[in-house]
Amino acid sequence: EPEVTQTPSHQVTQMGQEVILRCVPISNHLYFYWYRQILGQKVEFLVSFYNNEISEKSEIFDDQFSVERPDGSNFTLKIRSTKLEDSAMYFCASKGGPVTLNQPQHFGDGTRLSIL
Amino acid sequence: TQLLEQSPQFLSIQEGENLTVYCNSSSVFSSLQWYRQEPGEGPVLLVTVVTGGEVKKLKRLTFQFGDARKDSSLHITAAQPGDTGLYLCAGVYGGGADGLTFGKGTHLIIQP
Repeated sequence: EPEVTQTPSHQVTQMGQEVILRCVPISNHLYFYWYRQILGQKVEFLVSFYNNEISEKSEIFDDQFSVERPDGSNFTLKIRSTKLEDSAMYFCASKGGPVTLNQPQHFGDGTRLSIL
Repeated sequence: TQLLEQSPQFLSIQEGENLTVYCNSSSVFSSLQWYRQEPGEGPVLLVTVVTGGEVKKLKRLTFQFGDARKDSSLHITAAQPGDTGLYLCAGVYGGGADGLTFGKGTHLIIQP
């Protein structure tokens, strides 16, 4: 069964550094998402992406964050000047159709980001 | 900010018992998904409900979507130890919005 894959599974970075989290969505999907889950807290929406542009973003997704689809398969989340509070699991998700079709989002296994 | 309340937060029952998990919001969902999440892994989709009053079954799991599309429930019949895990409900509120709003989840433990 097709799946969303994320790399790396665990990223350790010094505070202030930049990190890039990578995702390969399901191949025929067109809608892409990033979520984060701070330890012990609920999953939170960050951003959605369609047709090479951001379609929706949450209050969490400020100027520190950016997303990109550099080629036909990868979808990346860049976090600049990382802070301790950026430590979390980051999940990528994708789906095949627009919100009007009510198709579900499928999630990867996440990248655990640890900021030291 | 939309809030999605899930209850109970923790539930520990004996094998063979039945249980129900609830998901409630003050706003209408355009669709709602139930996921199961294992430690260190991403949420895995169980079901999507879209129509008010809809009922879906997945083996011993029964999912209901409220008539007003503001609430949902997950009922497990004859729970088994393999049902142990974190169950999440997540909704889309519509109006063009697409990001999922998650509940805090229900930690379910089925004791043999």
